[in-house]
Amino acid sequence: LAKTTQPISMDSYEGQEVNITCSHNNIATNDYITWYQQFPSQGPRFIIQGYKTKVTNEVASLFIPADRKSSTLSLPRVSLSDTAVYYCLVGVRDDKIIFGKGTRLHILP
Amino acid sequence: DGGITQSPKYLFRKEGQNVTLSCEQNLNHDAMYWYRQDPGQGLRLIYYSQIVNDFQKGDIAEGYSVSREKKESFPLTVTSAQKNPTAFYLCASSIYPGGAFRVTNEKLFFGSGTQLSVL
Repeated sequence: LAKTTQPISMDSYEGQEVNITCSHNNIATNDYITWYQQFPSQGPRFIIQGYKTKVTNEVASLFIPADRKSSTLSLPRVSLSDTAVYYCLVGVRDDKIIFGKGTRLHILP
Repeated sequence: DGGITQSPKYLFRKEGQNVTLSCEQNLNHDAMYWYRQDPGQGLRLIYYSQIVNDFQKGDIAEGYSVSREKKESFPLTVTSAQKNPTAFYLCASSIYPGGAFRVTNEKLFFGSGTQLSVL
C-alpha cells in the first residue's frame, strides 16, 4: 500500500480553483490513484481516477506527473456545496482498501 | 435504479445487546466492505468480502461479525463485545479486479450509512 500524504485542511473562496495535492512516493506499477468526496453524514462518493498524465470529467481534473509520486485533484470554480472531505487512495494493503484522514476543504463565501 | 442500500438509518443499542446492520446491493458487484467512521475521523475497515461465502477481517474486526451468504447482501452484526460501538457505519461495494497481476483500480460505491448509538 502506497502511503499517502495530503493536507489536513484547506480554505478557499467561491469561484476559485482549488488544487489538493496528494503525495504517494512508493506507488507501485499496478496502482491507480482514486479520489473520493464525502459530505457530512453521507458515504464517500467516487470523483475521479487516473493512472498517469491527466484525467478530466464533469466534476474535476486529476493531474499526475510522469514519476507518479504525487497527484493533484483540481476543482474548477468551487461553490459552497464543494465543502467536504476529499480522500486520496492509492493501492491496497493485503487486498484491503484503506482510507486516510483526507483533506477537509472549506469554501468561504 | 442500481445502488447500495443500508438500513436502518439510525439504530440504538442497549448494553449487552447484539444489533445487525443491513447492506444490500444490486450492482452485481463481487466485493463488499464495511467501514466505521468516528466523528471527524477517516474511515476504518472492519470486514470485507471478495466473493460469496468468504470474508476477511479488516483493521478493526474485534467485536463485529459478518456473513456473505448471497452476492447481494453483507450484513454486519455489532456484538456486545464491541464496547464502544457508537459510530457511523458505511457499507460499500465494488468490482473486484483480481487476476495474477492485480491492478488497484476499484471504485467503491457507498451506501448512505447507519448511525449507531448506545442507549
